[in-house]
This record gives sequence, C-alpha cells and structure tokens, in this order.
Amino acid sequence: QVQLHQWGAGLLKPSETLSLTCAVYGGSFSDYFWTWIRQPPGKGLEWLGEINHRGTTNYSPSLKSRLTMSIDSSKTQFSLNLTSVTAADTAVYYCARGRRGTVVRGFDPWGQGTLVIVSS
Amino acid sequence: DIVMTQSPLSLPVTPGEPASISCRSSHSLLHSIGYSYLDWYLQKPGQSPRLLIYLGSNRASGVPDRFSGSGSGTYFTLNISRVEAEDVGVYYCMQALQTPLTFGPGTKVDI
Repeated sequence: QVQLHQWGAGLLKPSETLSLTCAVYGGSFSDYFWTWIRQPPGKGLEWLGEINHRGTTNYSPSLKSRLTMSIDSSKTQFSLNLTSVTAADTAVYYCARGRRGTVVRGFDPWGQGTLVIVSS
Repeated sequence: DIVMTQSPLSLPVTPGEPASISCRSSHSLLHSIGYSYLDWYLQKPGQSPRLLIYLGSNRASGVPDRFSGSGSGTYFTLNISRVEAEDVGVYYCMQALQTPLTFGPGTKVDI
C-alpha cells in the first residue's frame, strides 16, 4: 500500500520561501507524476503542479514565477519551493500521487497535509 | 482555465435516503480516448481529500458501491444510493483534462 508523508516549516514571514517535502513509501515511484495541491483555510482546493522522476514539471500558471518542484528518486521524495510568500499563500498543502504517464486515474493517495501560515 | 461549478453547495441528507450532486464544466471534458476526465473527491472533516470516482464513472479502490458517477462532456453527477452517517463532508469534482487542473467549489453534505 502506497503511503505519502510530508513535512516542512509551518510558520513563515512574508517574503520568505516555503519549502515542503513529501516521501513516498511503497509502490512504484518512477511510473507516476507527483502532485502538490493546496487549500486555504475554509476554502476549496487548488492544484499547484506536478513532477515526474525525470524532473518533467507542469506548474499552475498563476504560481509559475514563484514555484519550483524537485525530485529525488534515490530517496523517493519530491519537494515544493514557493518563493516570496504572502498571507495569500497561507493554506494546508497536500502532496498526492497523480497520473501514471499519460494514464489518468485521479489523485490517490494523498499526504496528511501541512498547514503553512504566513504572518509577520 | 476550465471553470468547474457544483450544485447544490450545501446538501442536507437523511441516512438511508439517496443523494445527488451535480458538476458542470466550462469546457467539454471528453478526451479523444473516449473517457471524460472528471474525478470526484470526498474530504471528511479534518482529513485529506480521498478519491471516490475517476474518469467520470470509475470507482476508486475501496470505495463503497453506493457511490456512483455518471455524465459526459460538460455535465456530471455523483450519486449516493443510500447515504450513511460516515458520508458527511465536502465533495469536490475536478477536471483532469488540461492544466491547470481545476476543482469545483465543493458541496457540503451533512445530516
């Protein structure tokens, strides 16, 4: 059974860089795209982007200028960096397993979520 | 971007009774391979979202068969044949056809 466990700093000041990592346990790591999604408090879900083991990325255009995803296949981990954060970036950030190549089967499973608060 | 809408946004339900949620997309989600790229997720209170349905009508592993998805193109429906107390939470539809992938606003289901 595949499990995702994520971690990262939970409190940031404006202009700092948000950094999160998600570790994948079990299953095939190299076959899939790995995804980040966020959810502001009390609001809906926003797709941020995806990355595969080759480092191929697709980012949300609204965040592309500040967003970088990376991957470490040797550790079966992938990471998200979001620069120049503001209060609008306050959210619970989730990692999830996405598509298998071009085969789309939904996001499953998901990490436990990490609450990131941006406040001065 | 493809815009997703859902109705209703709030749905009171009665255990044992059926329930239905609608989802519309601003662009057809029908892929050339013949499937509609539409997923349904349930987020229970305090939990991460969980995949219920993918490609419009395929139940994810472990999802009870009281959940079913239907529709094609721009109009989709999630049906619960007999609601159980554990089904409360927020249901989201999501289009997986083109990036940026986008979610509906969510439908809050409670008893």
